[in-house]
Amino acid sequence: DAGVIQSPRHEVTEMGQEVTLRCKLISGHNSLFWYRQTMMRGLELLIYFNNNVPIDDSGMPEDRFSAKMPNASFSTLKIQPSEPRDSAVYFCASSFRAGASTDTQYFGPGTRLTVL
Amino acid sequence: DQQVKQNSPSLSVQEGRISILNCDYTNSMFDYFLWYKKYPAEGPTFLISISSIKDKNEDGRFTVFLNKSAKHLSLHIVPSQPGDSAVYFCAAWNFGNEKLTFGTGTRLTIIP
Repeated sequence: DAGVIQSPRHEVTEMGQEVTLRCKLISGHNSLFWYRQTMMRGLELLIYFNNNVPIDDSGMPEDRFSAKMPNASFSTLKIQPSEPRDSAVYFCASSFRAGASTDTQYFGPGTRLTVL
Repeated sequence: DQQVKQNSPSLSVQEGRISILNCDYTNSMFDYFLWYKKYPAEGPTFLISISSIKDKNEDGRFTVFLNKSAKHLSLHIVPSQPGDSAVYFCAAWNFGNEKLTFGTGTRLTIIP
């Protein structure tokens, strides 16, 4: 398996533009997590899904952020409109199931977002 | 408020010596603790974990110690190797909310 795939790897955009980050889960995994990494706060969980259903989006910073799972293997994280403070590395991760502590989360390589 | 804290942003250790990375937490409800390792331009990868009912877990060169009364855990790497140079994240999990809470990470540099 190719692992969790994220695209694009780097995104540079201007303030106010819409940004869409994409993630493909590992085949057979049922849970999907979106994280944001910053120097100040480390890895923050934004939202996670079980079987395509959003379970907890309490980490989504504002209404400008939205995430979807149109099917069992794919997810998008959209920021509209983007702001400079959104600049960070965004990771998605997948696991077989979210509710078991022993199910390892496998991370994608991340998308480095820069909003000018 | 950070529930999982890694107070040392960086650490340098001589090759062959012991590396000790520390992590403190505030939520006594955490049931499980994990360490992830991250190389530049890659996502974090799982390294080792420990249940809250244990105080030690060992896997090769890596040992995690948990002190519940102090709400503190540490990762020991012995002997340290150049390939261990990476950012290490501590994470905690509880059965109640099913999600990992990560610390801010510690950058470990192994000096040849």
